[in-house]
Amino acid sequence: NAGVTQTPKFQVLKTGQSMTLQCAQDMNHNSMYWYRQDPGMGLRLIYYSASEGTTDKGEVPNGYNVSRLNKREFSLRLESAAPSQTSVYFCASSSLTNSNQPQHFGDGTRLSIL
Amino acid sequence: DAKTTQPPSMDCAEGRAANLPCNHSTISGNEYVYWYRQIHSQGPQYIIHGLKNNETNEMASLIITEDRKSSTLILPHATLRDTAVYYCIGKRGSNTGNQFYFGTGTSLTVIP
Repeated sequence: NAGVTQTPKFQVLKTGQSMTLQCAQDMNHNSMYWYRQDPGMGLRLIYYSASEGTTDKGEVPNGYNVSRLNKREFSLRLESAAPSQTSVYFCASSSLTNSNQPQHFGDGTRLSIL
Repeated sequence: DAKTTQPPSMDCAEGRAANLPCNHSTISGNEYVYWYRQIHSQGPQYIIHGLKNNETNEMASLIITEDRKSSTLILPHATLRDTAVYYCIGKRGSNTGNQFYFGTGTSLTVIP
């Protein structure tokens, strides 16, 4: 039982390049989330998907797009990468957006943009 | 969601109980207290959560004061692998994003 799996684990991009970060969960969860974590700061929500077929903006959505491909998979796309998007990206899932169930996180994608 | 306050760092001897405090004086009646930890270079790991009653699972115990203004996470027998940053979060379920605000947490160092 892998939980939440993120690929790739590391990536280096040049400014202006595009990239898609992949996330898959095997816990049959309805809701999925993308966060970013910067040094000395907590996690900030980029986008979330309450259920298959829906997506909504979080706290810091600018420069990103998402796709909820199916119940298991939720991808994050950077169309034109900028150095300010250098960060560690975490995907999470939970059973229901409006429940008190905890979110479960993947191990992150470390992204550097030169 | 409730603002939480935690000490920035703590030490604990290996094998002893680690008691991590958290103040959440503004917590409302329907907000749960969640604890996560983040070991260097890994994703946040869920530990435990509770509303008003004390909770225990295989990882830890959560003691919430009767007035719910503070709580303590207890790791009963700390090991070196428990060295991590521990986050206390006050949160209620919401259909507008359910974002967890992690803050800066407590850096726990378990000493051999």
